[in-house]
Order: sequence, then structure tokens, then C-alpha cells
Amino acid sequence: EVQLVESGGGLVQPGGSLKLSCEATGFALSSYSMNWVRQAPGKGLEWVAYLGSRGSSTIFYRDSVKGRFAVSRDTAKNSLYLAMNSLRDEDTGVYYCARGVSDGIPPDQFDYWGQGTLVTVSS
Amino acid sequence: DIQMTQSPSTLSASVGDRVTVTCRASQSISSWLAWYQQKPGEAPNLLIYKSSTLERGVPSRFSGTGSGTEFTLTISGLQPEDYATYYCQQYDAIPVTFGQGTRVEIK
Repeated sequence: EVQLVESGGGLVQPGGSLKLSCEATGFALSSYSMNWVRQAPGKGLEWVAYLGSRGSSTIFYRDSVKGRFAVSRDTAKNSLYLAMNSLRDEDTGVYYCARGVSDGIPPDQFDYWGQGTLVTVSS
Repeated sequence: DIQMTQSPSTLSASVGDRVTVTCRASQSISSWLAWYQQKPGEAPNLLIYKSSTLERGVPSRFSGTGSGTEFTLTISGLQPEDYATYYCQQYDAIPVTFGQGTRVEIK
């Protein structure tokens, strides 16, 4: 059974850092593209980052997080990560990891999602 | 970025009703459109991809149509478990973008 479990969220001050993890079971991360999608409280969905199945050679970010966020993975741990630096109030929300159906560019539909982890940026 | 606009933002309907949600793209996205259902406190769930292909396990009362810039999601015979928020998503270009959501409420 495919499962994605996020962790690492919490309360952080503006300008601070946080690293989110997404542990995958039931499939190999190295065979699929993966994404981070966030949702601000009471708002809609916003795609954040993409990591292709080939790893660091295929990475994309939305403009507002470029230079601040970094997506990576550890194939031995079958885990995806999102390192977030210089956090802003507007980065607050639930962060989901989501699996892409294929390894295409742009990312395609997302067939499995984790339960999400809440990041709150506030002083 | 490609803007996705859903209408209506909120929809009130009764069990058994036929419900239609519209999604418009700011430029042509061919058929690269997906629909998701999200219930409060839960992650989104994929319903339809490539505009009209039903994800496995999704009830056949859900259907999708459209291409280019205009798309629809139809629920034929609304069930109590269908009360939720629905999002469209384009994947024709990076960044992938979502509509703002349509909340389906109990009438």
C-alpha cells in the first residue's frame, strides 16, 4: 500500500528555518517524481516544488520560494525533504508531499498525497 | 503563470442533484487538467485526470469534460459523502496551478 507521511512542521519565527520530511512506503521514490504542495489556512492549494525521479538534475520551484527552499531526497531512507530558509509569514500553511503519476515535465496529476504537516511562521 | 478560475465558488445542492463545476484556464492547456476532492482536515484526493479520465476507485457518478480553456466536473446524483471542496489543476506548464476551489454545501 502506498503511503506518504510528512513530519517536521512547527512554529518558527520570520527569517527562521525548518526542514520537512516525507517518508514514502509502498513504492520507490527513485521511480517517481515528487512534489510539495501547500495550503494556507482556509485557502486553496499552491504547488511549491518538484523533484524528478532522476533526482537533483530535475528540480523546479515556484518563483516565490526560489533561493529560499530546497527539495532533496534520500533513496536509502526512501524519504523526500524540503529545507525552508528565510521563512516569511506568507509561507504559513499545511505542506503536503504528493506523488506524480509519471516523470513528465511539467509535473502531472498527483495520485497519492500525505496527510500534511503544519508550518506556522509567526513572531 | 496560467490562471485557473472556478465557478461557482460555493454551490448548494441536495442529495440526488446533478452538480456541475466549471474551470477556465487563462490560456489553452489542451486536456492537461485534473480534478481533486478535499474534505475538511484531509488531503486532496485525485478524481479525474487528462480532463475526462476517471482515477481508479472513483465512483462513476463523477465525470469530466473539456479541452483548451474550458472544463467541467459533473457529479450525477450527489451523495452525502460528496459534500466537499473541489479543485481543478492544470499541468500544461510550470508552475502547476490550481483553481481557487468550489465548495459543495448541503442545501
